[in-house]
Amino acid sequence: DTGVSQNPRHKITKRGQNVTFRCDPISEHNRLYWYRQTLGQGPEFLTYFQNEAQLEKSRLLSDRFSAERPKGSFSTLEIQRTEQGDSAMYLCASSLEGGWETQYFGPGTRLLVL
Amino acid sequence: AQTVTQSQPEMSVQEAETVTLSCTYDTSESDYYLFWYKQPPSRQMILVIRQEAYKQQNATENRFSVNFQKAAKSFSLKISDSQLGDAAMYFCAYRSEGSDRGSTLGRLYFGRGTQLTVWP
Repeated sequence: DTGVSQNPRHKITKRGQNVTFRCDPISEHNRLYWYRQTLGQGPEFLTYFQNEAQLEKSRLLSDRFSAERPKGSFSTLEIQRTEQGDSAMYLCASSLEGGWETQYFGPGTRLLVL
Repeated sequence: AQTVTQSQPEMSVQEAETVTLSCTYDTSESDYYLFWYKQPPSRQMILVIRQEAYKQQNATENRFSVNFQKAAKSFSLKISDSQLGDAAMYFCAYRSEGSDRGSTLGRLYFGRGTQLTVWP
């Protein structure tokens, strides 16, 4: 068990560019969550997968955002036509369905849009 | 929607002393889970302690304990014998519990965090 990993750890991009982040959950975890954290705030829910199915998307997730989890393994979060307001830390978490379902977080990807 | 409030943006404590971080939440549900997570500077968030709402006994994990007051919707974290390594941002989080496993009840609702400084 190597924990949740995220790549890249940091990303700087220019406004209008597309970016993609990757999350590798703990191997046996079937649930995967994406959160966004801005400075001085707690993480805010973006979207959630159970296996390969995306079960909910937050209102924060505009149509410029898309997430996938092919084959129920790793997940990607893509932001198209980035805006300065997208600058944030993007956190991924995974959990095993049942009981506590404690979410284990990755280190995050910090995005800066210039 | 559930809301979580952490009214202390910053707290400080002397090494070896005890500090209590407060958290309140708003919900109409009777079954749920509560968590405290710790986020050290530039490091990932890790679970500190968790509590099930239907359990009256307060959870304890080594130097960390909670005071769970369900009627008051309060969930404070007490850190005893504070250590320099306890310095971090602490987040209180709420998660719904339900019987529908296909639902989205798994999401966490976070407070805005309390920045804890530990003085030597």
